[in-house]
Amino acid sequence: SQQGEEDPQALSIQEGENATMNCSYKTSINNLQWYRQNSGRGLVHLILIRSNEREKHSGRLRVTLDTSKKSSSLLITASRAADTASYFCATDAGDSNYQLIWGAGTKLIIKP
Amino acid sequence: ETGVTQSPTHLIKTRGQQVTLRCSSQSGHNTVSWYQQALGQGPQFIFQYYREEENGRGNFPPRFSGLQFPNYSSELNVNALELDDSALYLCASSPADQETQYFGPGTRLLVL
Repeated sequence: SQQGEEDPQALSIQEGENATMNCSYKTSINNLQWYRQNSGRGLVHLILIRSNEREKHSGRLRVTLDTSKKSSSLLITASRAADTASYFCATDAGDSNYQLIWGAGTKLIIKP
Repeated sequence: ETGVTQSPTHLIKTRGQQVTLRCSSQSGHNTVSWYQQALGQGPQFIFQYYREEENGRGNFPPRFSGLQFPNYSSELNVNALELDDSALYLCASSPADQETQYFGPGTRLLVL
């Protein structure tokens, strides 16, 4: 079963605009990760935020985490055509075996 | 590039057959996880191996089995293939003390 749910399911914006994707999850977590997937290929790790962190930045990416609402957001600023991909959030299962539980993803399309 | 490779890239089988998918992890990564990703959905955790022992399993039947070898390679075996087994199969490796997983490009399996 899916732990997280991404919102929206699909997002289409103009190049240069900002893109915001949201993720909700159901159980307590130790950390939350965001990954990107291009055209049904392998997933690429973007950023990890721990349960005691509220915000984290990496280049044009900004991730927030609200454990009281069991939600996270991923902001991509100044989007580029190369950002076109599906974005997934993944959480640990709350134990130590590093199993990742995934949402269904947000499909992001950047129009040139 | 994550340094994780998978073979084959594509595979077509018929219902009832058996299949073996292979993964070569990054050197030094002694944990490997396997995921099934149906079209348009997020990955589903199949199982994880740590130091050649199964370390956790998702909600998949026993006909899904795996092996991990000392040379950082691993296998996913699926017996008695069903049409619903058609999916992208992803392996991901990580060092034992890291939550981030490094994915291979996947094997796309079609069961007819």
